Amino acid sequence: DTGVSQDPRHKITKRGQNVTFRCDPISEHNRLYWYRQTLGQGPEFLTYFQNEAQLEKSRLLSDRFSAERPKGSFSTLEIQRTEQGDSAMYLCASTRLGLDSPLHFGNGTRLTVT
Amino acid sequence: GENVEQHPSTLSVQEGDSAVIKCTYSDSASNYFPWYKQELGKRPQLIIDIRSNVGEKKDQRIAVTLNKTAKHFSLHITETQPEDSAVYFCAARGGTASKLTFGTGTRLQVTL
Repeated sequence: DTGVSQDPRHKITKRGQNVTFRCDPISEHNRLYWYRQTLGQGPEFLTYFQNEAQLEKSRLLSDRFSAERPKGSFSTLEIQRTEQGDSAMYLCASTRLGLDSPLHFGNGTRLTVT
Repeated sequence: GENVEQHPSTLSVQEGDSAVIKCTYSDSASNYFPWYKQELGKRPQLIIDIRSNVGEKKDQRIAVTLNKTAKHFSLHITETQPEDSAVYFCAARGGTASKLTFGTGTRLQVTL
């Protein structure tokens, strides 16, 4: 499968714990995005990387959230001190360079904070 | 930043009828407008997209129209089938931005 892969598919954690998600983009894609989607809503932009550089972060991304893409390939999204409001589907997407290159999404990681 | 509004939030049509979903955007510099289909529990998948230098694009039963002056674009699905039932999201990419801004989605139900 050469699509975007995310791990884990589901994560249940207790409030206050830290969680980390991984995304492996399509291999030739330079850009990698993280989005968050809650029930009944469209995906909300969190952050994106071009190669290893993090170029934009949403104001939605509090200090408890950090993302990395150390070698310009896979990326990790860490949430520290999770809160119940963090419960959502976290989607990763990748694309080639180019203003009209389509975004290809992974299946997401569903986070439930109890 | 870009703001995308989408209507209606739910749409029910009979099999064989047409469905139309409309979106408006705020950034006049936006130049790329994709539509995604998301089935329950699955990833959003691109079904069609349009660039700002084109007014209409068609792919079999689906078509998208763009009115840059009014800053709105629409998805048209003809001869709907039960497998068209899903949530559809429009999105827009601003002139210098790299990210897509999504609408809130339309849940389409095609009934027999």
